[in-house]
Amino acid sequence: DSGVTQTPKHLITATGQRVTLRCSPRSGDLSVYWYQQSLDQGLQFLIQYYNGEERAKGNILERFSAQQFPDLHSELNLSSLELGDSALYFCASSVVASGQETQYFGPGTRLLVL
Amino acid sequence: DAKTTQPPSMDCAEGRAANLPCNHSTISGNEYVYWYRQIHSQGPQYIIHGLKNNETNEMASLIITEDRKSSTLILPHATLRDTAVYYCIVRGGGTSYGKLTFGQGTILTVHP
Repeated sequence: DSGVTQTPKHLITATGQRVTLRCSPRSGDLSVYWYQQSLDQGLQFLIQYYNGEERAKGNILERFSAQQFPDLHSELNLSSLELGDSALYFCASSVVASGQETQYFGPGTRLLVL
Repeated sequence: DAKTTQPPSMDCAEGRAANLPCNHSTISGNEYVYWYRQIHSQGPQYIIHGLKNNETNEMASLIITEDRKSSTLILPHATLRDTAVYYCIVRGGGTSYGKLTFGQGTILTVHP
């Protein structure tokens, strides 16, 4: 158990809909990363937040957005869903030790768009 | 971050050591080598990381060559539960925090 929690574990929805995925980082971790894993693309970085501020963006679609709240939990919002958005979505929080960052991943949310 | 090359798959007998190689010939001086694994669609699990010295923790050992162009992750006594995809990742050190870039990894199959 990494200490990172994600809800829900599974989500089934229809095309055109909007969903929200939630991530709670490990206690004390300020940074949250979101990754998408689809069958054809592998694990891809979407976006990073640090202490409430967006820090870096990866291959995140405009239909997707995220935020990090004052209690440090983060939400990933996916809208106008398409079949191709079906994937595993992971969040990770990170700790810095001896000047080096290590990311710890949650169990993921499996999204199925029908 | 430097690119890495790993064999697509490897087999190992239960109880034997699993040695997973990784090539990172373009690694620069301040880049670290990280290893993660993913067991059947679970979240990637951190295993170990190192800069130039060999490292060991309760999960594995990491051997980095002197020229730092390659490394080997060693699982000393593999079990069936070690069957997973293993990812070798090179990333910047110090304050160069940021995304992890996952390649295709090595599918390790541990058989009885």
